[in-house]
Amino acid sequence: DAGITQSPRHKVTETGTPVTLRCHQTENHRYMYWYRQDPGHGLRLIHYSYGVKDTDKGEVSDGYSVSRSKTEDFLLTLESATSSQTSVYFCAITWDKNSPLHFGNGTRLTVT
Amino acid sequence: QKEVEQNSGPLSVPEGAIASLNCTYSDRVSQSFFWYRQYSGKSPELIMSIYSNGDKEDGRFTAQLNKASQYVSLLIRDSQPSDSATYLCAVNLNRDDKIIFGKGTRLHILP
Repeated sequence: DAGITQSPRHKVTETGTPVTLRCHQTENHRYMYWYRQDPGHGLRLIHYSYGVKDTDKGEVSDGYSVSRSKTEDFLLTLESATSSQTSVYFCAITWDKNSPLHFGNGTRLTVT
Repeated sequence: QKEVEQNSGPLSVPEGAIASLNCTYSDRVSQSFFWYRQYSGKSPELIMSIYSNGDKEDGRFTAQLNKASQYVSLLIRDSQPSDSATYLCAVNLNRDDKIIFGKGTRLHILP
């Protein structure tokens, strides 16, 4: 989607390795969110950010960490990837928490 | 109790009929409600947002909000095969900045 880019789009990694997913926005939006999507579970919130260096946990934060050192970038790190973290990861942004989210194209992560 | 609940479906509706999708939420102080549509392999895209009790119409889509009963619904009139998708309900939890989604309802429009 215009204004929000996720990288990489696809990644295959081995159990136990660290993985970092990047979300980059050009909209100067304050709020950024990381979700994972799995069959039967819908979109589940992992972590979110409400400003530079301001982050908080979501519904399924165990095994994940995030960082936001600049307005435009929100990084999601899997410190030691596990097979249960195989999923599609979506980043979303919004300028106000009561406004709709705009989603990136997603990252498909496979942990073998 | 999950904070946002939807019937996962699939919901099958004949072409041209009205499709009715429902969502309930647990946080009574929630203020913002959203419906997204997601095609297989794609990102969610916004259909409608609603903030006040009552109905909000946009083309063939009508969102309905009842805060007293804590539910929000989406009606799709004159359903088309292109409406076949998963519909996601999202709620902003007013106590913090979280936006929580239901599991989504798969809608199948029968030609």
